Amino acid sequence: KNEVEQSPQNLTAQEGEFITINCSYSVGISALHWLQQHPGGGIVSLFMLSSGKKKHGRLIATINIQEKHSSLHITASHPRDSAVYICAATYNTDKLIFGTGTRLQVFP
Amino acid sequence: EPEVTQTPSHQVTQMGQEVILRCVPISNHLYFYWYRQILGQKVEFLVSFYNNEISEKSEIFDDQFSVERPDGSNFTLKIRSTKLEDSAMYFCASSELRGEKLFFGSGTQLSVL
Repeated sequence: KNEVEQSPQNLTAQEGEFITINCSYSVGISALHWLQQHPGGGIVSLFMLSSGKKKHGRLIATINIQEKHSSLHITASHPRDSAVYICAATYNTDKLIFGTGTRLQVFP
Repeated sequence: EPEVTQTPSHQVTQMGQEVILRCVPISNHLYFYWYRQILGQKVEFLVSFYNNEISEKSEIFDDQFSVERPDGSNFTLKIRSTKLEDSAMYFCASSELRGEKLFFGSGTQLSVL
């Protein structure tokens, strides 16, 4: 069964800390997505990757195909980074299979 | 930046009533999707749509659900006879090409009473 697992479920940090959110998935993905869901519910796509590493501002996403694992890192975290971060995967179709999300709170 | 627009933002309906959720995808996008998120649960895929037909649908997307692209801009999700368990946030999404980055609307919160 195609599944996506995330950890941790909840994460709190002090402003400035380096944050890592982990995602593991079952074999055979086409692509791995990281998304951000704001408190109001809106979803924004952050990264889509199938190999290697991508960086956008303070966000870095990596994927290790052999280990079936991806990480999302946030450097120099800020309270405005507080949101739910979701890992999702596609498996030879274009439908996304979502993880449960990681609720991040960054305190000043 | 272009965005996916969904209306209404909130919809309250009585069980058994029909609802239509509306979406305006980004204008040059070709692939369209509906997802839903029941409170406290994962986001779930409902249906994908390309070239005026359904390309894939989930087990959730039964005969009570239908999608339509009635003109060149709107993409609608209809639920014929709503049930209590249809209460959820419904997200429309679109992408320019298959397998590309998705752009999501801000969602319609559907409450079935």
